Amino acid sequence: GESVGLHLPTLSVQEGDNSIINCAYSNSASDYFIWYKQESGKGPQFIIDIRSNMDKRQGQRVTVLLNKTVKHLSLQIAATQPGDSAVYFCAENVYFGNEKLTFGTGTRLTIIP
Amino acid sequence: NAGVTQTPKFRVLKTGQSMTLLCAQDMNHEYMYWYRQDPGMGLRLIHYSVGEGTTAKGEVPDGYNVSRLKKQNFLLGLESAAPSQTSVYFCASSWVVRSPLHFGNGTRLTVT
Repeated sequence: GESVGLHLPTLSVQEGDNSIINCAYSNSASDYFIWYKQESGKGPQFIIDIRSNMDKRQGQRVTVLLNKTVKHLSLQIAATQPGDSAVYFCAENVYFGNEKLTFGTGTRLTIIP
Repeated sequence: NAGVTQTPKFRVLKTGQSMTLLCAQDMNHEYMYWYRQDPGMGLRLIHYSVGEGTTAKGEVPDGYNVSRLKKQNFLLGLESAAPSQTSVYFCASSWVVRSPLHFGNGTRLTVT
């Protein structure tokens, strides 16, 4: 069945370093992917998205890479700041007679000052 | 611009009680969604709406009902609350499919 998972449940990174958060998906029909950030007590906040016809997309300090061959998605955050500490999770969109967005369980990123 | 607003923020119910969660968005989005988030699990879709007056079942609809009488509002009802419905509930909205969902800050519901 379809699944969206994360390789590491927790990640600690030194402030100023780059961080990479990974996500594996199992459905080759997925055509749209989103990364969200969720801070404690708040709702998920959109970071960046990518469609399946792209391999890479860049935003402000963030880059998403999509490898459809191995069904892998990654989020790179450059020059991490304390405010980047949060849970990050990916979501994939697949069409099953209607659109369905499936969310992963998340990786907790902790920035070490 | 408030985005997506959920009320209430917290609620404690006894088993068998009923309640309604309100979601309001001011972005003129067509699509609205209700999700629940439980520890160790990803967000799971309860019900969604593709426009005013429409609703559809998501992944975990049992025990919940919804209504979308106005485009900007999406209500989630629990007719007879059960402890298994203890969760954090998130409302979200989007322009169309394959576009980012904008989430509210959630309602933490405890059913005892």
